[in-house]
Amino acid sequence: GDSVTQMEGPVTLSEEAFLTINCTYTATGYPSLFWYVQYPGEGLQLLLKATKADDKGSNKGFEATYRKETTSFHLEKGSVQVSDSAVYFCALSSGAGSYQLTFGKGTKLSVIP
Amino acid sequence: NAGVTQTPKFQVLKTGQSMTLQCAQDMNHEYMSWYRQDPGMGLRLIHYSVGAGITDQGEVPNGYNVSRSTTEDFPLRLLSAAPSQTSVYFCASSYGIAGYTGELFFGEGSRLTVL
Repeated sequence: GDSVTQMEGPVTLSEEAFLTINCTYTATGYPSLFWYVQYPGEGLQLLLKATKADDKGSNKGFEATYRKETTSFHLEKGSVQVSDSAVYFCALSSGAGSYQLTFGKGTKLSVIP
Repeated sequence: NAGVTQTPKFQVLKTGQSMTLQCAQDMNHEYMSWYRQDPGMGLRLIHYSVGAGITDQGEVPNGYNVSRSTTEDFPLRLLSAAPSQTSVYFCASSYGIAGYTGELFFGEGSRLTVL
């Protein structure tokens, strides 16, 4: 079945540091890939997505590229801020006819001033 | 713009009690779902619905019932609560069958503790 593996946290960075959160997946067919973010005390919200190989999703300075050859969708940001402190979830949707989003376990990011 | 609204936000139950978590959305989404979030487990799908009158099981459906009588509402029922159901529950909605993309809109969550 489908699965998502993302790097274990927590991750602690200083403000303005470079961020990478690794995500790899296993899926049949041609999945869509997502990064969701959960700020403290809130529900998840979509951060970015990519629907086909080589697509790059981007939002709020975050980027991730859909790499089919390495089955990866790593999240990156060049300069993190304290306000980026949150839990980040990688997820996939298998595609037509599947209504289940498969999530990774989440990576907690803390950014210190 | 309310989006997805869940009630209650917090609930404490005793083992064997029943309760219903409410979920309502005002975006006319056909797809609605319930997830539970447990430490170190990510989010796991409990039940989902692709329209009024249509429901299906997700990854962890045991101990939970759902129904979908209207487009707006998708309640989750625990008939006999167990400590293993202590979790944070999220309702999420999305566009329906033709437009489903995996882009979900989440509520703020309901934290349930079963003693």
